[in-house]
Amino acid sequence: DGGITQSPKYLFRKEGQNVTLSCEQNLNHDAMYWYRQDPGQGLRLIYYSQIVNDFQKGDIAEGYSVSREKKESFPLTVTSAQKNPTAFYLCASSIGTGGFYNEQFFGPGTRLTVL
Amino acid sequence: AQTVTQSQPEMSVQEAETVTLSCTYDTSESNYYLFWYKQPPSRQMILVIRQEAYKQQNATENRFSVNFQKAAKSFSLKISDSQLGDTAMYFCAFRRIPSGGNMLTFGGGTRLMVKP
Repeated sequence: DGGITQSPKYLFRKEGQNVTLSCEQNLNHDAMYWYRQDPGQGLRLIYYSQIVNDFQKGDIAEGYSVSREKKESFPLTVTSAQKNPTAFYLCASSIGTGGFYNEQFFGPGTRLTVL
Repeated sequence: AQTVTQSQPEMSVQEAETVTLSCTYDTSESNYYLFWYKQPPSRQMILVIRQEAYKQQNATENRFSVNFQKAAKSFSLKISDSQLGDTAMYFCAFRRIPSGGNMLTFGGGTRLMVKP
């Protein structure tokens, strides 16, 4: 089955530790995205990547880092500099970055809790 | 910058009835795309319907339709014959043309409960 996988589903970390969230897609999509979702708020864009070895900051990139070494993988690292990291994180991908029918497909998400 | 506002944090509807979810947005662009996404309890985001701003005709997808009022910057979602499986968070989203990254701006969401 083609799709986007995120692992783990639930993640617990101690304050001050860096943690990396996995996102893998087998849809052969060029573009990938990371969103953060907090209760009562919509999704906010953290980082996006239009092509391998390139990525851009979104609206709330501070305290996060990403890499895009392979087309199918776009891991997100939540660093200790992120002041309030507890949230639900969603990864998405799309074929490209233009066009009306170029929709984003979402993964199942990772719930990160920092203790 | 664009903003998207959903003024109804929660709504409920009886099964088989019709419900309308509101969305307004603010932009200086003349052409753009609008979307409604559904997030059921499983939290998997699913695209429900999309609309191109330069098309006057309102989009429809089976029981889902939109009322797009460009001058009022309004994009409401109508769900007809509501089903229990429609229970979910619904998010309105905006995308510029060109966006330079296919970036979506989301509203805060409306939690819809369909009651039997």
